[in-house]
Parts: sequence; structure tokens; C-alpha cells
Amino acid sequence: NAGVTQTPKFQVLKTGQSMTLQCAQDMNHNSMYWYRQDPGMGLRLIYYSASEGTTDKGEVPNGYNVSRLNKREFSLRLESAAPSQTSVYFCASSEGGGGPQTQYFGPGTRLLVL
Amino acid sequence: GENVEQHPSTLSVQEGDSAVIKCTYSDSASNYFPWYKQELGKRPQLIIDIRSNVGEKKDQRIAVTLNKTAKHFSLHITETQPEDSAVYFCAASRSSTLTFGKGTMLLVSP
Repeated sequence: NAGVTQTPKFQVLKTGQSMTLQCAQDMNHNSMYWYRQDPGMGLRLIYYSASEGTTDKGEVPNGYNVSRLNKREFSLRLESAAPSQTSVYFCASSEGGGGPQTQYFGPGTRLLVL
Repeated sequence: GENVEQHPSTLSVQEGDSAVIKCTYSDSASNYFPWYKQELGKRPQLIIDIRSNVGEKKDQRIAVTLNKTAKHFSLHITETQPEDSAVYFCAASRSSTLTFGKGTMLLVSP
């Protein structure tokens, strides 16, 4: 099992450009998450999908959109990138089904917005 | 919403010493407290977790304690080794989402 995979690993964008970060998991998990990690700020939740067909905002959703394409895939879209979105983005998944559970993280996408 | 405070932000110890990282949480309904280790350039990985019906949990050199009354929990690493050097994150949850602390950079010197 590959676990949680993310593409791309690294991306450079110009201000105003758009892009989609891809995430997939092969653990048959119901819940998926997108975080951003900035120095000294820990991991902050952007959006999550508790189950296929549902998405909810997290702590820092502004400037982002998500799509739960199917049970395996959860994408994060930046419609008009800004320098403040320079960060490392992590996708995670958990079994879901109610109550708190262990989350498993992907390898991350490093995004630089110039 | 939940708020998690983590201290210290950096911790330097000599190999063989013990290290303790502490976290406090605000939501008394939180009942799941995982700890993640993140090596430089890598993904966060779960090292230990505890649920609110347990006061302490151990796994070899790592232990976690929970004080529900005071709303704080701690990570204890004994006999530290250079490979323990990393950033450690605590988190708290009562639902499907986690709220993370800001992290502790642990440096273990040989």
C-alpha cells in the first residue's frame, strides 16, 4: 500500500496563477483533510471531507476550494495564488465514521508563490 | 473552538537525558490526544496517542500522560538518542478534526 500520496512535490507559481494539488489514499479511509504548515504555526486545517460527498471549512479556508472526487481522491485548488499562500501543504486521511481517529499524512507539496 | 498550547518551542538535551514536552487544551470535551514526530523535510508521523479514559500510556522509551482535570497532557522521552531530534506536535480532538499545537523542536546532542 502506498498510503497517502500527493502531487506535485514542489511547485512555483506567479501571483494570480491557479493550480490544483492532488491527493489520493489507498487505505479505504472515509475522511480526508488538507493542512498548511508554516514556520512556527504548526499544522492548520484548510478544509476536510468527513465522508465522500461532503466537505467542510477548517481554520484557514480563504483563498482555497476543494473537491472530493471519489472516496480515494481529495483535491485542493488555488484559484488566484497569492504570496501568502507560500507554504507546505499536507493531505491526510483517517478511517472516519464518527469520533476522533488517527490521521495519516502524505509527503507534502512545497508551494512557492512569487 | 479548541485551542492547544505547546511548550517549550525548542528543547536541547544531551544524549541519554530525558525530554518532556507539555500541551494544554481548552475544550473539556476533547477526548483524543495524539503526538506526531516530523523529521526535517518529511511528513508528520504518529508516535503515540492517548484517549481520555486512560491516564498514561507507554511504548518503549516514549510515554504520554493526561490530566483531564487540568486539561493538559505531556510527552516523555527517556534515554534520548540523536535520531530523536525532530519537531514534535501535540494535538487534541473531540470529533473528526484535530487541532495542533505549534510544535517543539527537540535537538539531542551526542
